[in-house]
Amino acid sequence: KAGVTQTPRYLIKTRGQQVTLSCSPISGHRSVSWYQQTPGQGLQFLFEYFSETQRNKGNFPGRFSGRQFSNSRSEMNVSTLELGDSALYLCASSLEGTSVDEQYFGPGTRLTVT
Amino acid sequence: GENVEQHPSTLSVQEGDSAVIKCTYSDSASNYFPWYKQELGKGPQLIIDIRSNVGEKKDQRIAVTLNKTAKHFSLHITETQPEDSAVYFCAATGGSYIPTFGRGTSLIVHP
Repeated sequence: KAGVTQTPRYLIKTRGQQVTLSCSPISGHRSVSWYQQTPGQGLQFLFEYFSETQRNKGNFPGRFSGRQFSNSRSEMNVSTLELGDSALYLCASSLEGTSVDEQYFGPGTRLTVT
Repeated sequence: GENVEQHPSTLSVQEGDSAVIKCTYSDSASNYFPWYKQELGKGPQLIIDIRSNVGEKKDQRIAVTLNKTAKHFSLHITETQPEDSAVYFCAATGGSYIPTFGRGTSLIVHP
């Protein structure tokens, strides 16, 4: 069974630009969650999507948004990039959700904002 | 919201020794406690998890214990090997359904 895939793996953007990251979950998984990982703040939950609906949202500004498609693939978007958005963005999938099922993480997208 | 404290931040052991990593949580409604291993350049990998209706769970050299009264849970690795070297994260998920992670423990196993 293929694991969680994320594209692109690396990205360099300029402050003020926007970026879209993509995540393909494990086949059959309906929940996709996104996380930001930085040395300063650690692993922080961004949001969770389940059956194309945002089910939970972490404490991040509205510049961070996401969506999920009917095939469970998900994208997250960050608008008006700031230097502090430089981080590893991780996607995780599970069968039913973050509180009831094991989550499987992808390798992440390393975003650098200059 | 939930707060998870993880200790120690760095743990250095000799091959064959045991390693213990401890986490405390604040939300008494938390009911799912996974542990992840993250190697350099990779995403976190679930290694073991425990739910609030269980006090202990074991999988070969890895075990997790949960004390709901004291709100803490621990990861135990026995007979450590160099390939166990990685960063380990604990997490707690409770009433908000939002996972909260500890800050991580860098485990170094010396051959």
